[in-house]
Amino acid sequence: DVKVTQSSRYLVKRTGEKVFLECVQDMDHENMFWYRQDPGLGLRLIYFSYDVKMKEKGDIPEGYSVSREKKERFSLILESASTNQTSMYLCASSGQKRGNNNEQFFGPGTRLTVL
Amino acid sequence: TQLLEQSPQFLSIQEGENLTVYCNSSSVFSSLQWYRQEPGEGPVLLVTVVTGGEVKKLKRLTFQFGDARKDSSLHITAAQPGDTGLYLCVSDSWGKLQFGAGTQVVVTP
Repeated sequence: DVKVTQSSRYLVKRTGEKVFLECVQDMDHENMFWYRQDPGLGLRLIYFSYDVKMKEKGDIPEGYSVSREKKERFSLILESASTNQTSMYLCASSGQKRGNNNEQFFGPGTRLTVL
Repeated sequence: TQLLEQSPQFLSIQEGENLTVYCNSSSVFSSLQWYRQEPGEGPVLLVTVVTGGEVKKLKRLTFQFGDARKDSSLHITAAQPGDTGLYLCVSDSWGKLQFGAGTQVVVTP
């Protein structure tokens, strides 16, 4: 079974702190994604990566950056956390090359609260 | 960006009842996926539909893709508490997924 793990289930940080969210997948997938999920808004794509050291902006990249130094690991970084970044963060991976009908496998999510 | 509208936003039913949730788009889908997200977990893919008019069945779940490929529905027969979750319709454009806001379904015993 594909397993996507995220470093924390719950995280509380203060405004202005630098925050690292880690995601690891164990199926040698090429593609990895970071989303945030907010009530009534669904999942919105922050950043994604189709290869090591490669990254592309999603729909809402402002205030975030990412790092993909190894194929299995995709990190989301909040350089200076703000209260409007309080959200559920979901990491996903998929194994197929770019094209339609790709199944994405999700981690359990990290619920981040910024005070 | 394709806009996906899901209805209703929330549905609460008793065990054994049937339910239908809907997904509509502002434009034609190339393909459509349905995911279910259970409390405390990430979404899990249920089905992918590709062809207009397509119907797929997964045990008590029936998925239909509109002929014009701008809408889809998910029908659950004889719902069980294990069907509780957030049902998300998702369009897939070259590996980038666009999510609807979801329908929260609660099935009580």
